[in-house]
Amino acid sequence: GAVVSQHPSRVICKSGTSVKIECRSLDFQATTMFWYRQFPKQSLMLMATSNEGSKATYEQGVEKDKFLINHASLTLSTLTVTSAHPEDSSFYICSAPVSGGAYEQYFGPGTRLTVT
Amino acid sequence: AQSVTQLGSHVSVSEGALVLLRCNYSSSVPPYLFWYVQYPNQGLQLLLKYTSAATLVKGINGFEAEFKKSETSFHLTKPSAHMSDAAEYFCAVSGYNQGGKLIFGQGTELSVKP
Repeated sequence: GAVVSQHPSRVICKSGTSVKIECRSLDFQATTMFWYRQFPKQSLMLMATSNEGSKATYEQGVEKDKFLINHASLTLSTLTVTSAHPEDSSFYICSAPVSGGAYEQYFGPGTRLTVT
Repeated sequence: AQSVTQLGSHVSVSEGALVLLRCNYSSSVPPYLFWYVQYPNQGLQLLLKYTSAATLVKGINGFEAEFKKSETSFHLTKPSAHMSDAAEYFCAVSGYNQGGKLIFGQGTELSVKP
């Protein structure tokens, strides 16, 4: 089946620094990818839709200047958390829809971000 | 607008017992419905999906779900729980005009007692 990878799987950074998370579709092309955020013991909250070759579409309440998304190619989307603060600590998950899969999506394994 | 409600944030069953995880949805368009499972610190794995074909959907690991339009429900069941079924389960909804966006329910943590 289709595979989506994320890198890094875990990152610890200091408050005020920026962190980049990569999401790759390994054996298929994805013109669209989605970024979710998940707090402990909570559900996934859609943050934004990443569109290859154009600007990302952010969900209401998500700061686009805080969470920079770049979809540089048909297999790579990146999420950069700028000037990270402890409240940005969370589990970030990306997904990519499979073409012809009736909106079935494949999810990456997630990235655990801890801001100290 | 679409939304999903999962009744019960935590369900506990004995090994071998019936598993029933409840999901109700709201959608202004014909829905696509999904159940995903998440193990600790991992991404999501698709269990099964409903995409307007058969209303009784069979998935992996012995799980199945029935789409009931009149009840706006898509409950997940498994006849006999196994210890390895212990995980977090998410119901999600999308629609043909949603561009692939998934709206998730709050999740239900399933515990399986020996």
